[in-house]
Amino acid sequence: AQSVTQLGSHVSVSEGALVLLRCNYSSSVPPYLFWYVQYPNQGLQLLLKYTSAATLVKGINGFEAEFKKSETSFHLTKPSAHMSDAAEYFCPLGGSQGNLIFGKGTKLSVKP
Amino acid sequence: KAGVTQTPRYLIKTRGQQVTLSCSPISGHRSVSWYQQTPGQGLQFLFEYFSETQRNKGNFPGRFSGRQFSNSRSEMNVSTLELGDSALYLCASSMTAAYEQYFGPGTRLTVT
Repeated sequence: AQSVTQLGSHVSVSEGALVLLRCNYSSSVPPYLFWYVQYPNQGLQLLLKYTSAATLVKGINGFEAEFKKSETSFHLTKPSAHMSDAAEYFCPLGGSQGNLIFGKGTKLSVKP
Repeated sequence: KAGVTQTPRYLIKTRGQQVTLSCSPISGHRSVSWYQQTPGQGLQFLFEYFSETQRNKGNFPGRFSGRQFSNSRSEMNVSTLELGDSALYLCASSMTAAYEQYFGPGTRLTVT
């Protein structure tokens, strides 16, 4: 079965510090992976996507993610956190039905 | 390009009633997917429509249904509302397959 596990339901960092949000997946076929961000009372905004073209994927707002097949991971990073990065982050997997399979999400807090 | 729009944004209904939510996809997108987001269950796939046909369906009871029109606009209907149906309902559109989906702002449904 395909699944996603996001490690850490809450992550807190200081402004200017490195952001690292962890995502592991389980899939018997080559995965399509995404990172989305959700601000309160809003929909999900696509940050970046992995579709096997390159293992290091750059997204919007300074975020990037590295696909590691050996570790079945797709962690999201940003070198320097900004207050506006505070939100909930999801890394869904493209499911065999064409749907997105979501994990529980990680809420990122940024301290001044 | 205009993004995905959903109407209404907020809705309050009583148990036993039915409700219809509407979604207009990004122009040119033919696939529309629906998701339910709750604090307890997270984001769960409801169904996906492509060219007016339901291609995929998640694990929800028959009270949840949908349809898609020739202009790709989609509606979902929930009959005999239960308290547990209170959720944020998100619509997402994509060009062809259901990957790389673009989400609308959601409809917040409260059932009392």
